Amino acid sequence: EPEVTQTPSHQVTQMGQEVILRCVPISNHLYFYWYRQILGQKVEFLVSFYNNEISEKSEIFDDQFSVERPDGSNFTLKIRSTKLEDSAMYFCASRVTRGSGEKLFFGSGTQLSVL
Amino acid sequence: AQSVTQLGSHVSVSEGALVLLRCNYSSSVPPYLFWYVQYPNQGLQLLLKYTSAATLVKGINGFEAEFKKSETSFHLTKPSAHMSDAAEYFCAVSDNFGNEKLTFGTGTRLTIIP
Repeated sequence: EPEVTQTPSHQVTQMGQEVILRCVPISNHLYFYWYRQILGQKVEFLVSFYNNEISEKSEIFDDQFSVERPDGSNFTLKIRSTKLEDSAMYFCASRVTRGSGEKLFFGSGTQLSVL
Repeated sequence: AQSVTQLGSHVSVSEGALVLLRCNYSSSVPPYLFWYVQYPNQGLQLLLKYTSAATLVKGINGFEAEFKKSETSFHLTKPSAHMSDAAEYFCAVSDNFGNEKLTFGTGTRLTIIP
């Protein structure tokens, strides 16, 4: 089965630093997402992205966050100035169509630790 | 607003025993419901989904779940646990009006006792 690839698997950074989390969605997919899971808490929706635009974002996704599809294959999440509470597992996901019943393919995640 | 509650953050069953992982949902509109599994060092993988067709849904690896509207539940079961079922299981909900985002539960870690 095709896979969503995320790099790096672990990222350690200092508070206030910028980080970029990278994802390569499945090649024919058109809809892209970021979710995150703080240790011991629920997996939370951050943002959805289609046609080079954000289509929906949560209240978590504030001005410190941005997403980009810089080329035809990568999908990135940037956190401009990391805070301690940004420490979490970040999951990228993609799917072919927008329909909420359609299968969402997730990557294996990037564990971000902010010190 | 939608939400799911997974009862039991950790569940242990013996190999060969019944697996039952509980999920209750709250939704003001007809829901779509999902179970995802996460094996160590892997991404979330869809086990099965309910999208308003049959209430008993069969998924991969012998798992199934039954949508019970009267109980607002979508419990995951497997008749006979296998060692390879050890993983984290997540219940999730979305609405069926095109809302894209999934709302997840906190997850249940399943341990299989040999």
